[in-house]
Amino acid sequence: GAVVSQHPSRVICKSGTSVKIECRSLDFQATTMFWYRQFPKKSLMLMATSNEGSKATYEQGVEKDKFLINHASLTLSTLTVTSAHPEDSSFYICSATSAGGQPQHFGDGTRLSIL
Amino acid sequence: AQKVTQAQTEISVVEKEDVTLDCVYETRDTTYYLFWYKQPPSGELVFLIRRNSFDEQNEISGRYSWNFQKSTSSFNFTITASQVVDSAVYFCALSNTGGFKTIFGAGTRLFVKA
Repeated sequence: GAVVSQHPSRVICKSGTSVKIECRSLDFQATTMFWYRQFPKKSLMLMATSNEGSKATYEQGVEKDKFLINHASLTLSTLTVTSAHPEDSSFYICSATSAGGQPQHFGDGTRLSIL
Repeated sequence: AQKVTQAQTEISVVEKEDVTLDCVYETRDTTYYLFWYKQPPSGELVFLIRRNSFDEQNEISGRYSWNFQKSTSSFNFTITASQVVDSAVYFCALSNTGGFKTIFGAGTRLFVKA
Protein backbone atom coordinates (compact mmCIF):
# COMPACT_ATOMS: atom_id res chain seq x y z
CA GLY A 1 0.00 0.00 0.00
CA ALA A 2 0.89 3.66 -0.27
CA VAL A 3 3.47 4.84 2.20
CA VAL A 4 3.95 8.29 3.61
CA SER A 5 7.00 8.99 5.70
CA GLN A 6 6.97 11.79 8.26
CA HIS A 7 10.07 12.94 10.05
CA PRO A 8 10.91 13.51 12.82
CA SER A 9 8.53 11.47 14.95
CA ARG A 10 9.25 13.45 18.07
CA VAL A 11 10.77 16.83 18.78
CA ILE A 12 11.48 18.48 22.10
CA CYS A 13 12.93 21.95 21.92
CA LYS A 14 13.16 25.29 23.64
CA SER A 15 10.73 28.12 23.17
CA GLY A 16 11.70 30.38 20.27
CA THR A 17 13.15 27.60 18.15
CA SER A 18 11.89 26.95 14.63
CA VAL A 19 11.06 23.34 13.86
CA LYS A 20 10.80 21.75 10.42
CA ILE A 21 8.73 18.63 9.80
CA GLU A 22 9.04 16.69 6.56
CA CYS A 23 6.39 14.63 4.83
CA ARG A 24 7.33 12.37 1.94
CA SER A 25 5.24 10.11 -0.24
CA LEU A 26 7.47 7.15 -0.93
CA ASP A 27 5.72 5.23 -3.66
CA PHE A 28 3.31 7.59 -5.36
CA GLN A 29 3.13 11.15 -6.59
CA ALA A 30 1.22 13.23 -4.11
CA THR A 31 -0.68 15.91 -5.96
CA THR A 32 -1.92 17.25 -2.69
CA MET A 33 -0.65 17.04 0.85
CA PHE A 34 -2.46 18.06 3.99
CA TRP A 35 -1.22 19.15 7.38
CA TYR A 36 -3.30 18.43 10.45
CA ARG A 37 -2.96 19.23 14.10
CA GLN A 38 -4.41 16.95 16.73
CA PHE A 39 -4.89 17.92 20.36
CA PRO A 40 -5.08 15.16 22.97
CA LYS A 41 -8.24 13.11 22.62
CA LYS A 42 -9.49 15.32 19.83
CA SER A 43 -10.11 14.92 16.14
CA LEU A 44 -7.81 16.02 13.37
CA MET A 45 -7.91 19.72 12.68
CA LEU A 46 -6.95 20.59 9.12
CA MET A 47 -4.37 23.36 9.11
CA ALA A 48 -3.60 23.71 5.43
CA THR A 49 -3.78 22.10 2.03
CA SER A 50 -0.62 22.03 -0.01
CA ASN A 51 -0.40 21.56 -3.77
CA GLU A 52 2.91 21.00 -5.47
CA GLY A 53 4.41 24.18 -6.83
CA SER A 54 1.81 26.55 -5.45
CA LYS A 55 1.10 28.37 -2.22
CA ALA A 56 -0.62 26.44 0.50
CA THR A 57 -4.25 27.14 1.35
CA TYR A 58 -4.64 27.75 5.05
CA GLU A 59 -7.74 27.11 7.10
CA GLN A 60 -9.36 29.94 8.96
CA GLY A 61 -7.56 30.78 12.14
CA VAL A 62 -4.24 29.22 11.15
CA GLU A 63 -1.39 31.72 11.05
CA LYS A 64 0.43 31.56 7.74
CA ASP A 65 3.54 33.23 9.10
CA LYS A 66 3.64 30.87 12.04
CA PHE A 67 3.19 27.66 10.11
CA LEU A 68 5.18 27.83 6.89
CA ILE A 69 4.38 25.17 4.33
CA ASN A 70 6.45 24.34 1.30
CA HIS A 71 5.51 21.73 -1.29
CA ALA A 72 8.54 21.73 -3.51
CA SER A 73 7.96 18.46 -5.32
CA LEU A 74 5.32 15.79 -5.87
CA THR A 75 6.83 13.74 -3.09
CA LEU A 76 7.82 16.24 -0.42
CA SER A 77 6.05 18.82 1.69
CA THR A 78 7.48 20.55 4.75
CA LEU A 79 5.87 22.32 7.67
CA THR A 80 7.99 24.77 9.62
CA VAL A 81 6.74 25.97 12.97
CA THR A 82 8.49 29.29 13.35
CA SER A 83 9.52 30.66 16.74
CA ALA A 84 7.64 27.89 18.48
CA HIS A 85 6.07 28.46 21.87
CA PRO A 86 4.59 26.03 24.41
CA GLU A 87 1.09 26.52 23.01
CA ASP A 88 2.34 25.10 19.70
CA SER A 89 3.00 21.78 21.40
CA SER A 90 0.81 19.21 19.70
CA PHE A 91 0.68 16.17 17.47
CA TYR A 92 1.13 17.17 13.82
CA ILE A 93 0.16 14.75 11.08
CA CYS A 94 0.63 15.01 7.36
CA SER A 95 -1.22 13.14 4.68
CA ALA A 96 -0.91 12.77 0.95
CA THR A 97 -3.27 11.88 -1.84
CA SER A 98 -2.94 11.47 -5.57
CA ALA A 99 -6.44 12.57 -6.60
CA GLY A 100 -9.72 13.92 -5.31
CA GLY A 101 -11.83 11.31 -3.55
CA GLN A 102 -8.89 9.00 -3.05
CA PRO A 103 -7.95 7.90 0.46
CA GLN A 104 -5.47 10.07 2.24
CA HIS A 105 -2.39 8.21 3.33
CA PHE A 106 -1.05 9.47 6.59
CA GLY A 107 2.40 9.85 8.01
CA ASP A 108 3.03 8.51 11.50
CA GLY A 109 2.83 11.99 12.98
CA THR A 110 5.23 14.26 14.82
CA ARG A 111 4.84 14.90 18.50
CA LEU A 112 6.12 18.40 19.14
CA SER A 113 6.89 19.52 22.66
CA ILE A 114 8.03 23.08 23.28
CA LEU A 115 9.56 23.74 26.67
CA ALA B 1 -21.80 22.50 4.33
CA GLN B 2 -20.28 19.12 5.01
CA LYS B 3 -20.34 17.55 8.42
CA VAL B 4 -19.54 14.20 9.97
CA THR B 5 -21.02 13.21 13.32
CA GLN B 6 -19.77 10.38 15.46
CA ALA B 7 -22.07 10.58 18.43
CA GLN B 8 -20.30 7.89 20.44
CA THR B 9 -17.31 9.45 22.18
CA GLU B 10 -16.15 6.27 23.90
CA ILE B 11 -17.25 2.65 23.81
CA SER B 12 -16.02 -0.08 26.09
CA VAL B 13 -16.60 -3.75 25.35
CA VAL B 14 -15.28 -7.08 26.48
CA GLU B 15 -13.28 -9.19 24.08
CA LYS B 16 -15.35 -11.25 21.65
CA GLU B 17 -18.29 -8.89 21.81
CA ASP B 18 -19.55 -7.31 18.62
CA VAL B 19 -19.50 -3.52 18.50
CA THR B 20 -20.94 -0.98 16.05
CA LEU B 21 -19.51 2.49 15.59
CA ASP B 22 -21.98 5.01 14.23
CA CYS B 23 -21.31 7.67 11.63
CA VAL B 24 -23.81 10.15 10.26
CA TYR B 25 -22.85 12.62 7.58
CA GLU B 26 -24.25 15.72 5.92
CA THR B 27 -23.45 16.91 2.43
CA ARG B 28 -25.20 18.65 -0.45
CA ASP B 29 -23.04 16.89 -2.99
CA THR B 30 -24.53 14.02 -4.95
CA THR B 31 -21.13 12.46 -5.46
CA TYR B 32 -18.90 11.97 -2.47
CA TYR B 33 -16.67 9.49 -0.67
CA LEU B 34 -16.84 8.11 2.83
CA PHE B 35 -13.91 6.69 4.75
CA TRP B 36 -13.05 5.01 7.99
CA TYR B 37 -9.62 5.36 9.59
CA LYS B 38 -8.16 3.71 12.68
CA GLN B 39 -5.77 5.50 15.04
CA PRO B 40 -4.15 3.07 17.51
CA PRO B 41 -2.43 4.36 20.67
CA SER B 42 0.83 4.72 18.76
CA GLY B 43 -0.76 7.62 16.85
CA GLU B 44 -0.55 6.73 13.19
CA LEU B 45 -3.71 6.75 11.10
CA VAL B 46 -4.57 3.62 9.19
CA PHE B 47 -6.93 3.65 6.23
CA LEU B 48 -9.66 1.01 6.55
CA ILE B 49 -12.21 1.59 3.80
CA ARG B 50 -13.47 3.97 1.14
CA ARG B 51 -17.00 3.94 -0.19
CA ASN B 52 -18.34 6.17 -2.96
CA SER B 53 -21.85 7.56 -2.86
CA PHE B 54 -23.10 5.41 -5.71
CA ASP B 55 -22.15 2.16 -4.11
CA GLU B 56 -24.48 1.23 -1.29
CA GLN B 57 -23.37 -2.35 -1.20
CA ASN B 58 -22.30 -3.38 2.26
CA GLU B 59 -18.77 -4.62 2.64
CA ILE B 60 -17.18 -7.24 4.81
CA SER B 61 -13.48 -7.62 5.40
CA GLY B 62 -12.65 -10.28 7.93
CA ARG B 63 -14.13 -9.20 11.26
CA TYR B 64 -14.93 -5.74 9.90
CA SER B 65 -18.12 -4.81 8.11
CA TRP B 66 -19.61 -1.56 6.94
CA ASN B 67 -23.25 -0.60 6.43
CA PHE B 68 -23.80 2.37 4.11
CA GLN B 69 -27.34 3.73 3.96
CA LYS B 70 -27.92 6.88 1.91
CA SER B 71 -31.53 7.11 3.10
CA THR B 72 -30.32 7.82 6.62
CA SER B 73 -26.95 9.35 5.65
CA SER B 74 -25.16 6.80 7.75
CA PHE B 75 -22.01 4.76 7.29
CA ASN B 76 -21.72 2.50 10.31
CA PHE B 77 -18.80 0.24 11.12
CA THR B 78 -19.15 -3.09 12.92
CA ILE B 79 -16.37 -5.13 14.46
CA THR B 80 -17.36 -8.73 15.07
CA ALA B 81 -15.75 -10.71 17.88
CA SER B 82 -13.69 -7.74 19.02
CA GLN B 83 -10.11 -8.20 20.16
CA VAL B 84 -7.86 -6.18 22.44
CA VAL B 85 -5.87 -5.08 19.38
CA ASP B 86 -8.97 -3.34 18.09
CA SER B 87 -8.62 -0.76 20.86
CA ALA B 88 -8.10 2.53 19.09
CA VAL B 89 -9.80 5.71 18.02
CA TYR B 90 -11.84 5.30 14.87
CA PHE B 91 -12.57 8.23 12.58
CA CYS B 92 -15.25 8.46 9.96
CA ALA B 93 -14.54 10.96 7.16
CA LEU B 94 -16.21 12.51 4.14
CA SER B 95 -14.83 14.10 0.99
CA ASN B 96 -16.31 15.27 -2.27
CA THR B 97 -14.90 14.17 -5.58
CA GLY B 98 -14.42 17.68 -6.89
CA GLY B 99 -11.90 18.66 -4.29
CA PHE B 100 -9.50 16.91 -2.02
CA LYS B 101 -10.56 18.21 1.33
CA THR B 102 -11.68 15.58 3.79
CA ILE B 103 -13.84 16.30 6.79
CA PHE B 104 -13.27 14.09 9.83
CA GLY B 105 -15.69 13.21 12.56
CA ALA B 106 -14.71 13.69 16.19
CA GLY B 107 -13.74 10.05 16.50
CA THR B 108 -14.94 7.18 18.67
CA ARG B 109 -12.53 5.76 21.21
CA LEU B 110 -12.97 2.01 21.49
CA PHE B 111 -11.68 0.09 24.49
CA VAL B 112 -11.68 -3.68 24.23
CA LYS B 113 -11.01 -5.39 27.53
CA ALA B 114 -9.55 -8.86 27.81
